[in-house]
Amino acid sequence: EPEVTQTPSHQVTQMGQEVILRCVPISNHLYFYWYRQILGQKVEFLVSFYNNEISEKSEIFDDQFSVERPDGSNFTLKIRSTKLEDSAMYFCASRETRDTGELFFGEGSRLTVL
Amino acid sequence: AQTVTQSQPEMSVQEAETVTLSCTYDTSESNYYLFWYKQPPSRQMILVIRQEAYKQQNATENRFSVNFQKAAKSFSLKISDSQLGDTAMYFCAFMKHRGSQGNLIFGKGTKLSVKP
Repeated sequence: EPEVTQTPSHQVTQMGQEVILRCVPISNHLYFYWYRQILGQKVEFLVSFYNNEISEKSEIFDDQFSVERPDGSNFTLKIRSTKLEDSAMYFCASRETRDTGELFFGEGSRLTVL
Repeated sequence: AQTVTQSQPEMSVQEAETVTLSCTYDTSESNYYLFWYKQPPSRQMILVIRQEAYKQQNATENRFSVNFQKAAKSFSLKISDSQLGDTAMYFCAFMKHRGSQGNLIFGKGTKLSVKP
């Protein structure tokens, strides 16, 4: 069964460093998402991406964050200068079309900022 | 803005028994999707069940069923014949229907433990 894959599964970084989290969505999906979950808190929407551009973003997704789909398969989330409060589990998700409600999630990338 | 509330942070149930997880939501939308996602320990979230708000019939998927009360904005999940593999975090989520980019709004989750 096709699935969303994410790398790395866990990354530890120093505050101020740049981090790139990678995702390979399901191949025929058109809509891509990043969510995050700070430990003990709810899963929060960060950004949605369609047709090679951001379609919606939350107030969490500030100038420190960026997304791109550089090669038509990978979907990346970049954090330019990490802060302690960026420590969280980051989930990538994809969806086939706008009319099917289901999002398929990856296993997540745990980011620890020291 | 939409909100989703899960009032039970943790629940436990004996294997083979039935458990109901609660979820309420707030929205001014008339048409939307509601979901229950399951997140086993160290695994990805997977969809358990989905309900479209314009459908009055409650969705069912094998041992999983929902009680959707649109007027009350309530969307509870019933798990029958609980199995050890049902142990997981369960998230209730809301998504606007057509015209939405697919932004899910999640509740805080309910940690369900199924005991042998």
